[in-house]
Amino acid sequence: QQQVKQSPQSLIVQKGGISIINCAYENTAFDYFPWYQQFPGKGPALLIAIRPDVSEKKEGRFTISFNKSAKQFSLHIMDSQPGDSATYFCAAREVIKAAGNKLTFGGGTRVLVKP
Amino acid sequence: KAGVTQTPRYLIKTRGQQVTLSCSPISGHRSVSWYQQTPGQGLQFLFEYFSETQRNKGNFPGRFSGRQFSNSRSEMNVSTLELGDSALYLCASAQGAHWTDTQYFGPGTRLTVL
Repeated sequence: QQQVKQSPQSLIVQKGGISIINCAYENTAFDYFPWYQQFPGKGPALLIAIRPDVSEKKEGRFTISFNKSAKQFSLHIMDSQPGDSATYFCAAREVIKAAGNKLTFGGGTRVLVKP
Repeated sequence: KAGVTQTPRYLIKTRGQQVTLSCSPISGHRSVSWYQQTPGQGLQFLFEYFSETQRNKGNFPGRFSGRQFSNSRSEMNVSTLELGDSALYLCASAQGAHWTDTQYFGPGTRLTVL
C-alpha cells in the first residue's frame, strides 16, 4: 500500500522555468512533510520541510504548498537551473513520540533541467 | 561536523551469503534509521534505533536485522542473501525524534547479490 503518491515520475523543464511536483497522502497521522533531493551516487539531502499548520513555506527558489483538507502537498522550483537536475522525493512522518523517525517516501520524480 | 558515514560503499556477494553494513551517525545524534532503495520499490524504511533500542521496524523479513552500539554507531545484517536484496542501503541519523529533528542521510552502501 503506497501511502504517499508522487507525480509525475519524471519531468523536463527549460532553464528558468518552473518545476512542479505533487504528492498526496492518506494517513491523517502524518504531521511532518520533508522534501529530499538526491543526486546520482549520493544519499538524499533535505531540501525543505513543512508542517500542515502552515499552507506555504518558501526557501530561496523552493516553495512547498500544503493543502491539509485535500491531503496534498507540492514542491515548486522557481527559475530552474541545470544544477537542479536530480531526483526529488516527498516524504511524510508521524510526529508522535512512539513513531520515532520513520519516513514514508513517495516514488520520486526525476527532474531534468535543459540549458 | 562530519556527516553520516557508511562502510563499505560497495559490496558484491553471492546468494546465500550474509552481509554486515556499518553506519556512523553525526556526532551527538542518537537516532539511526536504515532504508532500502531500489528502482522498483523506491525508498523503504527498514528499522530505526534510538539509544541502542529498536524503536520502529518496517515490513521486511527477519533476515534483515540490525543493532546499535553505545556510541550510536549502527550495523545492519542481512542473512541468506537473495537476488532481490540488491539495492542501495541508506543510513540516516537524527538528533532525536522531535518534528524539528532533521534526518541526515549517508551516501549509502551499494549491495549487489549475484
